[in-house]
Amino acid sequence: GIQVEQSPPDLILQEGANSTLRCNFSDSVNNLQWFHQNPWGQLINLFYIPSGTKQNGRLSATTVATERYSLLYISSSQTTDSGVYFCAVLDDYKLSFGAGTTVTVRA
Amino acid sequence: EAQVTQNPRYLITVTGKKLTVTCSQNMNHEYMSWYRQDPGLGLRQIYYSMNVEVTDKGDVPEGYKVSRKEKRNFPLILESPSPNQTSLYFCASGKGQGYNEQFFGPGTRLTVL
Repeated sequence: GIQVEQSPPDLILQEGANSTLRCNFSDSVNNLQWFHQNPWGQLINLFYIPSGTKQNGRLSATTVATERYSLLYISSSQTTDSGVYFCAVLDDYKLSFGAGTTVTVRA
Repeated sequence: EAQVTQNPRYLITVTGKKLTVTCSQNMNHEYMSWYRQDPGLGLRQIYYSMNVEVTDKGDVPEGYKVSRKEKRNFPLILESPSPNQTSLYFCASGKGQGYNEQFFGPGTRLTVL
């Protein structure tokens, strides 16, 4: 199966800071998604981004499919951005998830 | 509102007592799937379905059953739950055969004593 690696595993930010989360995958993919798991455990869709760049408010993402990586940018972080961020790729009819990046934003 | 719903959201039960976790989506999606999330093991797929009456095993199907009699519903059945099935369960749906964006339900926290 496709291996998905996320870095860094943990990130502590001061409110207002910017950050970049990385997702590397081991094979070509048709589907790549970024999720935010909030403190209540819910998985919130952030981006569906098999290739290219998308932006949604303070968040943006870029996937370079030919080089097998994706980046998630958080700008002007807020305490509500805390949680775990997952990258997932479609692998044989299932989403294979990375281990996640735990983001803590301090006021 | 387009969504995936799961019930119950929280359940504490005892070993061997059959239970069903329901999943329903209102987006007319063909693809539906169940995952479990465990500390240190991440999210793993249990079963998936490409359409009505079409289901297949994921990575961890042992101890679970599913059915897809209607397009909108995909219940997860634990016929004889055991403590190792204590987990956070997610249902997901997507258009087509899962190659498009997938949407997750709110999760069901199950504890088996």
